[in-house]
Amino acid sequence: DVKVTQSSRYLVKRTGEKVFLECVQDMDHENMFWYRQDPGLGLRLIYFSYDVKMKEKGDIPEGYSVSREKKERFSLILESASTNQTSMYLCASSDWGTENTEAFFGQGTRLTVV
Amino acid sequence: AQKVTQAQTEISVVEKEDVTLDCVYETRDTTYYLFWYKQPPSGELVFLIRRNSFDEQNEISGRYSWNFQKSTSSFNFTITASQVVDSAVYFCALTDGSSNTGKLIFGQGTTLQVKP
Repeated sequence: DVKVTQSSRYLVKRTGEKVFLECVQDMDHENMFWYRQDPGLGLRLIYFSYDVKMKEKGDIPEGYSVSREKKERFSLILESASTNQTSMYLCASSDWGTENTEAFFGQGTRLTVV
Repeated sequence: AQKVTQAQTEISVVEKEDVTLDCVYETRDTTYYLFWYKQPPSGELVFLIRRNSFDEQNEISGRYSWNFQKSTSSFNFTITASQVVDSAVYFCALTDGSSNTGKLIFGQGTTLQVKP
């Protein structure tokens, strides 16, 4: 059974803290993505990675960074958490170079910044 | 620029009713892919269907059917004889044709509530 696993379902952090969201996939996929989901806005792409140590900004990268040291793991980093980063974060993976392959999603991390 | 619009924010139906979720997209690419995903209360997005821009044939899978019309840039999703388990948020998505990375552009989502 293919899987994308996010390290936490719920997180509560304080303003200014450095926050790490971890994502692991077991499908040997090249592509990995971090999306943010907010009511009325759908899912918006924060960053994606198409290979180890390779990354590109998505539509809303401000305030975030990412790390991909191993193919199966893609981390999202909030350098200094702010209340406007309270949201649901979804990680996904898909095959490289195949637009017609669906993305597989993790269960999401609901982050609250207080 | 690519864009996906799901104009229906919330839909509420009674069990066994048919319901159609609308999806309208914009793209300048000649080759693109459209998707529907379901997000149950558990949070994980579940893939339902993929359709490429060269295949306008409608598809039926059990109680689910999809109507793809390039002429109106629409990819609508119909659930026949809805059930309570169909209650979820449904997202329509479009691939970004500028690369081969599989980046998805999502609509705003439609929350479907099926009442018993």
